Amino acid sequence: QKEVEQDPGPLSVPEGAIVSLNCTYSNSAFQYFMWYRQYSRKGPELLMYTYSSGNKEDGRFTAQVDKSSKYISLFIRDSQPSDSATYLCAMGDSGTYKYIFGTGTRLKVLA
Amino acid sequence: GAGVSQSPRYKVAKRGQDVALRCDPISGHVSLFWYQQALGQGPEFLTYFQNEAQLDKSGLPSDRFFAERPEGSVSTLKIQRTQQEDSAVYLCASSPEERYHEQYFGPGTRLTVT
Repeated sequence: QKEVEQDPGPLSVPEGAIVSLNCTYSNSAFQYFMWYRQYSRKGPELLMYTYSSGNKEDGRFTAQVDKSSKYISLFIRDSQPSDSATYLCAMGDSGTYKYIFGTGTRLKVLA
Repeated sequence: GAGVSQSPRYKVAKRGQDVALRCDPISGHVSLFWYQQALGQGPEFLTYFQNEAQLDKSGLPSDRFFAERPEGSVSTLKIQRTQQEDSAVYLCASSPEERYHEQYFGPGTRLTVT
């Protein structure tokens, strides 16, 4: 079993839909949780990070962490075709510099 | 300011050739990371520098891989005697001191070994 599991997709949604992207993990020591967006042939771009549990909102993006279930989510409201990309989760324990990435979920938002 | 830059963007090497991949981090970023990203996978950690010191090279797949950052800014990842399994995208990231969760990635170098 991998330390971080992420459904590779692709996930196709119509423009304007609410998108839910998820990762599960096995290491209860993880404290930092990040979401990256990666466009084709580009490097990952940090969208949001969360420390420990709870929610964090930034514009159309909301990150949620449920440490009891070892489950994290990224919600995208009012999705746009420009949101079409691969979304990677990454996580690690406090003080680490070595983060574990999921395989990424490919998202397609259809106009 | 400018982001992380990497060169070349694409590299085709014949099996057995040596390659050198360059990373220019964001100015002032103390921490520098190299990752390998295979097709359809997430980035995998290769090595970590704090300034010029290579503090962790546990992710380097073999002794054919070597990284350096001699003056604490630009870094080079060298792969000797390339093999087909080395084909991947090599990503460089940098972060401010001890803010490892704020890693800024470059565009990557796509290496194809034929």
